[in-house]
Amino acid sequence: AQSVTQLGSHVSVSEGALVLLRCNYSSSVPPYLFWYVQYPNQGLQLLLKYTSAATLVKGINGFEAEFKKSETSFHLTKPSAHMSDAAEYFCAVSDGRDDKIIFGKGTRLHILP
Amino acid sequence: DAGITQSPRHKVTETGTPVTLRCHQTENHRYMYWYRQDPGHGLRLIHYSYGVKDTDKGEVSDGYSVSRSKTEDFLLTLESATSSQTSVYFCAISGISNTANTGELFFGEGSRLTVL
Repeated sequence: AQSVTQLGSHVSVSEGALVLLRCNYSSSVPPYLFWYVQYPNQGLQLLLKYTSAATLVKGINGFEAEFKKSETSFHLTKPSAHMSDAAEYFCAVSDGRDDKIIFGKGTRLHILP
Repeated sequence: DAGITQSPRHKVTETGTPVTLRCHQTENHRYMYWYRQDPGHGLRLIHYSYGVKDTDKGEVSDGYSVSRSKTEDFLLTLESATSSQTSVYFCAISGISNTANTGELFFGEGSRLTVL
């Protein structure tokens, strides 16, 4: 069964600094991978997704993620953090076989002024 | 925004009572999901549906049942609520097509359930 591990339940970065949120997946077949963001008291919204096309995926709000099969990773990055990026971020995986979409435990991103 | 409505948005109930949460979509999407969100656990899949009357279990299905009698409605029922089921429940629909599951989820605003 597919699974996702997000390293770090809380990450703090200074405004303007690089954002790096880590995600490792487990899947027996080539997966579909996703990053979602949740702002306070809201539902989740899609940031970006990998579906076996380009390994470097660009999303909304300047975020991107790179699929690395050899490392089973799909880390999320943004070159320069903004205060509005403060939110909780979730990595998710689907192996495309049984329509299950499994989420990681989330990483809360704090932006320091 | 995807047309997904959850009801009720807030509910307080007592241990042992039945509870039903409703998810209604106006997008005609085939796939629908119920998740629960708890601090330290992220989102965990409870049940999902891949068509009318077609449902399957997720990661944490014990104590929950679902029904989907028509495309637009997906009901989550707690037969006898327990305090461990206090949570925020999210419904989601998948895909931009009525047939293909793109895996891209659109979420409702959540239903906060408190079981005393």
